Amino acid sequence: QSVLTQPPSLSGAPGQNVTISCSGASSNIGADYGVHWYQQLTGSAPKLLIYGTKHRPSGVPDRFFGSKSGTSASLAITGLQEEDEADYFCQSYDTSLTGSYVFGTGTRVTVL
Amino acid sequence: QVQLQESGPGLVKPSETLSLTCTVSGGSVSSDTYYWSWIRQPPGKGLEWIGNAFHSGRTNYNPSLKSRVTISVDSSKNQFSLKLSSVTAADTAVYYCAREIRTGQPRWYFDLWGRGTLGTVSS
Repeated sequence: QSVLTQPPSLSGAPGQNVTISCSGASSNIGADYGVHWYQQLTGSAPKLLIYGTKHRPSGVPDRFFGSKSGTSASLAITGLQEEDEADYFCQSYDTSLTGSYVFGTGTRVTVL
Repeated sequence: QVQLQESGPGLVKPSETLSLTCTVSGGSVSSDTYYWSWIRQPPGKGLEWIGNAFHSGRTNYNPSLKSRVTISVDSSKNQFSLKLSSVTAADTAVYYCAREIRTGQPRWYFDLWGRGTLGTVSS
């Protein structure tokens, strides 16, 4: 049961910038539990892309940038590359569901 | 390098119990730093957190699945497991095991995932 809302799809040409939004509530993104992002290439498991709103794990290119404002978060991909074509999911922790992790609905990014 | 690998029967009959195991290599399930989670993804759909366990035996479950789920850690085998009872076709999904960061700052996220295993419910 996804309680974080993302656009179903976005696209851009190589080199362009795309921004994925993630809309939540005061009980998840708006609370001090952080928002995190995962990249899922076709046929693969999700991979941590951004944690704690803006931090990149080792090996993640700096063209991925996370931010948060109020009850929403965003993932920006600057200088889109072909290998960025994937599904992207945001994730947070929700206190209204008796302590349960929640994921976004997912956004498919297509590189034209 | 820590790796997670799911295993278990790929096909389960309706009303029976789906049982999966996640083997941790290159690290210890007894670490005080991590919880161990199960997450599933129905074909073509999004991600759903099922629940987690700590090596002490403490568990947390998704309220929507709580009545049917049991997750446990076996430190002697360096594994953790999932049991989902009374399954229906709606439980057909790829099941992922994942390492969960629940202490320190930032926290409340999954930093390492297994490759996933398809669990199909069908007669």
